[in-house]
Amino acid sequence: QPVVTQSSSASASLGSTVKLTCTLNSDYSGHIVAWHQQQPGKAPRYLMKLEGDGSSNKGSGVPARFSGSTSGADRYLTISDVQSEDEADYYCETWGSNSRVFGGGTKLTVL
Amino acid sequence: QVTLRESGPAVVKATQTLSLTCTFSGFSLGTSGMCVSWIRQPPGRALEWLALIDWDDDKYYSESLRTRLTISMDTSKNQVVLTMTNMGPVDTGTYYCARVGWSTSYPDYWGQGALVTVSS
Repeated sequence: QPVVTQSSSASASLGSTVKLTCTLNSDYSGHIVAWHQQQPGKAPRYLMKLEGDGSSNKGSGVPARFSGSTSGADRYLTISDVQSEDEADYYCETWGSNSRVFGGGTKLTVL
Repeated sequence: QVTLRESGPAVVKATQTLSLTCTFSGFSLGTSGMCVSWIRQPPGRALEWLALIDWDDDKYYSESLRTRLTISMDTSKNQVVLTMTNMGPVDTGTYYCARVGWSTSYPDYWGQGALVTVSS
């Protein structure tokens, strides 16, 4: 069974760069993940799919300042030039063993 | 344009069965690789995956809720139905359906969600 671990919170100043981390358990360290954004009071929104080799596939309309990268079992979501509308919860998702798993989410606060 | 909309009762009583319908447009669940997932979110908490049905009518369930869940599809109506038996207060939350695209293999379009409250 895959396990997805995320830090509960992060903060970034307006215009800065922030990197959010999603860590997979060792048996699933090569798995693909998806990143989703959930702004306050809204439904989640698909941001991108991120492969084990670091390649990514962004969703329709996702700004270029959102990017993904990989290092071992870690999957990163980097937001450049952080904007106020980026204040949201960010969820990492993976699948394996015929089930899908979400991480606990990271709440990003924009200062 | 892909859209999904969840519908069902806003309130159910404890021990009752919940039935939610996801009505979608802009894609066909008959297309190879297409799937629909159900995900829920208790108030103030994280997303939890519940179930998935694919174009071939294969079904997958959360291990912890497997005995309570049933997912089904009606491709002629572009609908996916989720039923959850023996509802309790801990099942209160927003229930989302989402398209899992053939190219992404992940939920790439989400519905707006349906808030379900379980009364004791």
